[in-house]
Order: sequence, then structure tokens, then C-alpha cells
Amino acid sequence: NAGVTQTPKFQVLKTGQSMTLQCAQDMNHEYMSWYRQDPGMGLRLIHYSVGAGITDQGEVPNGYNVSRSTTEDFPLRLLSAAPSQTSVYFCASSYSGLGRSDYGYTFGSGTRLTVV
Amino acid sequence: KNQVEQSPQSLIILEGKNCTLQCNYTVSPFSNLRWYKQDTGRGPVSLTIMTFSENTKSNGRYTATLDADTKQSSLHITASQLSDSASYICVVSAYNNNDMRFGAGTRLTVKP
Repeated sequence: NAGVTQTPKFQVLKTGQSMTLQCAQDMNHEYMSWYRQDPGMGLRLIHYSVGAGITDQGEVPNGYNVSRSTTEDFPLRLLSAAPSQTSVYFCASSYSGLGRSDYGYTFGSGTRLTVV
Repeated sequence: KNQVEQSPQSLIILEGKNCTLQCNYTVSPFSNLRWYKQDTGRGPVSLTIMTFSENTKSNGRYTATLDADTKQSSLHITASQLSDSASYICVVSAYNNNDMRFGAGTRLTVKP
């Protein structure tokens, strides 16, 4: 049981490049989400999904796209990377989202992205 | 202004000592509060979850308290170990809301 797997672990992009951060979970969780973590700030929600085919925006969605074609995968796409998107990105999943579940959130190990 | 404030920002203690981390929140209406431990280079891992009716919950050497009236929570670590060195993050959820609000965390360093 691998939990939540994120790839790559590290990435350096040039301004304007695009890329996809991968996230996969093998726990059959319905709820998946993407966060970014910046120094001195709490994790901020980028996008989330409550099930296959359903996605919605979080607190800081601009510059990012997501899709959820399967229960297992929730990729995050950076359309045109900007230095402001330099951050550590975490994918998380839960049996049932909405922040109310007694089931905790399982986080991936993160992707450290630098945009130069 | 962040709806979840944690203090102190960082803390250094000697191995074997106790410490208490604080979390104040304004998230409303309150649903639950979680404490997470985040080791360097890793994702957060859940330590405890507390709902409105709970005021104390323990997980080994970790004890979380919640005062829903004053909107404060604390995480007490007893007999600290080197492996306790990590960031501790307070996360508060609002009822009927998809939103979880994360504190910026307290960076704890335990020295031998």
C-alpha cells in the first residue's frame, strides 16, 4: 500500500514553461486535493476533487489546471510557469473530504518546484 | 489575516524536556481541529483530530487540548525525543465547508 505518490520530487523550470505534477493514490479515496506550501505561510488549497470527473477551485487556483479522469490520479498542470509559483506542492487524499471527516488526510511527500 | 495563528514560530528544547505549542483560530462555525507533524522533506502526518465536544485527546507522548469557547488549542509533547524535531501544523475546518485552514506551523528542534 503506497499511499499517495507524487512525482517528481524536485523540478526546475524556466519562466513560461509548462509541466504536470503527478499524484496517484491507491487507497480508493474519493477526495483529492493540491496544496502549495510557502515559507511562513500555512498550506493553501489550489484545487480539489470530490470524485472522478469533478473538480473545483480552492483558494489560489490561478495559473493551475487539474483534471480527475480516474479515482486514482489527480495531476496538477502549470500552464505557463512564473517565479511566483516557486513552492513546495503537496497532494492529499481522504476517504471523504469536506474537512469534516474523521478520516485524516494522507499527504504525499511533496514536489519542490523552482521557477527561474 | 490567517484564520489560524500558531505560536511560537520556532522552538528549541533539550531532549527529555516537555513543551507546549499553541494554536488560536477564528474559523467559524467550527467543525474540527487537527494537529499534523511534518518532518523535513515530507508531507504532514496526522497526530490528532478533535471535534467541538472534545477538550483533550492523547496520542502517545502527544496531548492536544481544545477550548472551543476561547478558540484555542495546544499540543503538549512530553519527554521529547530527537525524532520529535519537525514542524507541527494546526488545521481547523469549518462546518459544512470544503475549506481547511492551515496554520503556518511551529518549527520544533530537539537537541541532545
